[in-house]
Amino acid sequence: EPEVTQTPSHQVTQMGQEVILRCVPISNHLYFYWYRQILGQKVEFLVSFYNNEISEKSEIFDDQFSVERPDGSNFTLKIRSTKLEDSAMYFCASRTGGGETQYFGPGTRLLVL
Amino acid sequence: GESVGLHLPTLSVQEGDNSIINCAYSNSASDYFIWYKQESGKGPQFIIDIRSNMDKRQGQRVTVLLNKTVKHLSLQIAATQPGDSAVYFCAENDRGNKLTFGTGTQLKVEL
Repeated sequence: EPEVTQTPSHQVTQMGQEVILRCVPISNHLYFYWYRQILGQKVEFLVSFYNNEISEKSEIFDDQFSVERPDGSNFTLKIRSTKLEDSAMYFCASRTGGGETQYFGPGTRLLVL
Repeated sequence: GESVGLHLPTLSVQEGDNSIINCAYSNSASDYFIWYKQESGKGPQFIIDIRSNMDKRQGQRVTVLLNKTVKHLSLQIAATQPGDSAVYFCAENDRGNKLTFGTGTQLKVEL
């Protein structure tokens, strides 16, 4: 069964450093998402991406964040200058064009020191 | 506003019993609802969904009930098993792109 994959599974970085989180969505999916989950809290929407552009973003997704689909398979989230409060699990999700169900990857645990 | 917190509501059930997990949603414009299961250290896993034009949908061992009048969603798990132990989230979609997740309920299955 196809699934969303994410790398790395864990990332530790120093405050102020740039990080890139990578996702490979399910191959025939057209809509891509990033969510985050701070420890012990609920999953929060960050951004959605369709047809090579952002279709919606939340207040969390400020100028420090960017997304890119550099090729036909990868979908990345970049945090330009990490802050302590960026420490969280980051989940990538994708869905088909006709369906609404979003399928989630296993997440990347980001720890900013 | 949305409620967040470090302590999840917990439901403890005996193995073999039925579980009912509840969720209140806030957006009356939401037309699609999903239940996700999240095991420790993993991403949300799709369980079952329901559209706003339905009030009940059944899957394998799971049933989702939707009451739009009181904006309430429930997930029923029949014959709960140890492998069902996880955090369960409801999520809603109001025709847009994003899912809005609830706080989550920790289900603990006791042997």
